[in-house]
Amino acid sequence: DGGITQSPKYLFRKEGQNVTLSCEQNLNHDAMYWYRQDPGQGLRLIYYSQIVNDFQKGDIAEGYSVSREKKESFPLTVTSAQKNPTAFYLCASSPGRTSYEQYFGPGTRLTVT
Amino acid sequence: GDSVTQMEGPVTLSEEAFLTINCTYTATGYPSLFWYVQYPGEGLQLLLKATKADDKGSNKGFEATYRKETTSFHLEKGSVQVSDSAVYFCALTGGYNNNDMRFGAGTRLTVKP
Repeated sequence: DGGITQSPKYLFRKEGQNVTLSCEQNLNHDAMYWYRQDPGQGLRLIYYSQIVNDFQKGDIAEGYSVSREKKESFPLTVTSAQKNPTAFYLCASSPGRTSYEQYFGPGTRLTVT
Repeated sequence: GDSVTQMEGPVTLSEEAFLTINCTYTATGYPSLFWYVQYPGEGLQLLLKATKADDKGSNKGFEATYRKETTSFHLEKGSVQVSDSAVYFCALTGGYNNNDMRFGAGTRLTVKP
């Protein structure tokens, strides 16, 4: 069964701690993305990666970091520098090259107190 | 830059009513257009897409036509069901950066029996 998995579904952390959100895809897609969604709002792009070992900042990259060591995996670290980390985080992937629709994982809801 | 504007919600309809959710876009180049649906607590699911002017995307009774002359991609369904209750997002990608998908703010639809 091909798809995108994100884990965990719910994550709780104390303020000042870094936390890493997992995103894995077995669709053999080249490009992967991380978005943040706040209640009642649209999606804002944090980072994206078009190929392994390369990634680009999106609109709201401050306080976040990513890595792309394998094609299937694109973990997101929410650092203590992120001022308002509580949000719903969505990972997506797309085939790239000639096809750019994005396919989304189920999301991780992060709560920082 | 590229952007999408969709009608504000929430939209409340009775079952079997006709649905229209308006979406207009601003883009340089030749964007591809998408509608996504999000059910509570889940990620986004691709509903339909259109990649060039006059294309009609359709899926599960939903339709949208890519109108270059009016820069629009309105979502329609002839007879909504309670199970269509969700948030709908219009999005575009392409122009000069196919990795930069821009989303509208989302329109919440509630269908009452």
